[in-house]
Amino acid sequence: ILNVEQSPQSLHVQEGDSTNFTCSFPSSNFYALHWYRWETAKSPEALFVMTLNGDEKKKGRISATLNTKEGYSYLYIKGSQPEDSATYLCARDGQNFVFGPGTRLSVLP
Amino acid sequence: DSGVTQTPKHLITATGQRVTLRCSPRSGDLSVYWYQQSLDQGLQFLIQYYNGEERAKGNILERFSAQQFPDLHSELNLSSLELGDSALYFCASSPDGAANGYTFGSGTRLTVV
Repeated sequence: ILNVEQSPQSLHVQEGDSTNFTCSFPSSNFYALHWYRWETAKSPEALFVMTLNGDEKKKGRISATLNTKEGYSYLYIKGSQPEDSATYLCARDGQNFVFGPGTRLSVLP
Repeated sequence: DSGVTQTPKHLITATGQRVTLRCSPRSGDLSVYWYQQSLDQGLQFLIQYYNGEERAKGNILERFSAQQFPDLHSELNLSSLELGDSALYFCASSPDGAANGYTFGSGTRLTVV
């Protein structure tokens, strides 16, 4: 993997559903993986910064895991709420700081 | 190459100086967003331009200003620089004003000494 990739590009779920999305990144020269929650024209909210292989972090209903050897991270949202609707960005900090294209989540009431 | 070009990639300057950061959006994109990433404050939205006009303003200091030119490239001017202005400055572009299909540039790393 040469770039930071995220999948899916967009996602629509019902309120109460749990969901997850993926960030894939080059595993060489890795320093840290950042997850942000981003609403348009606002400052992205930093969710997690992970550095170690096997890291798992949790913040309320949101959690994330990191695999630096294979170059991926998962973000999980348990019991999605309408207010979770946003774009979820990951960014890899290494030789460069590179953002992924984001996953746009819409939670339908 | 994301299609969003930021120059310069690195910049070292002294306190009190003024610098200009440049962003060329992806071809066809009308909106440009500027962000500041610092160690202590994370990624902060500064300002958005859409087709040459200011669309939204975030946590942008009065010492900072920006503009978007007719060819849609944008410049972020930082003046009376302070040590605390050292950060990564990112721009992102999108086709419209709603950040659909946005793309981030690779950033300018500013160091104020």
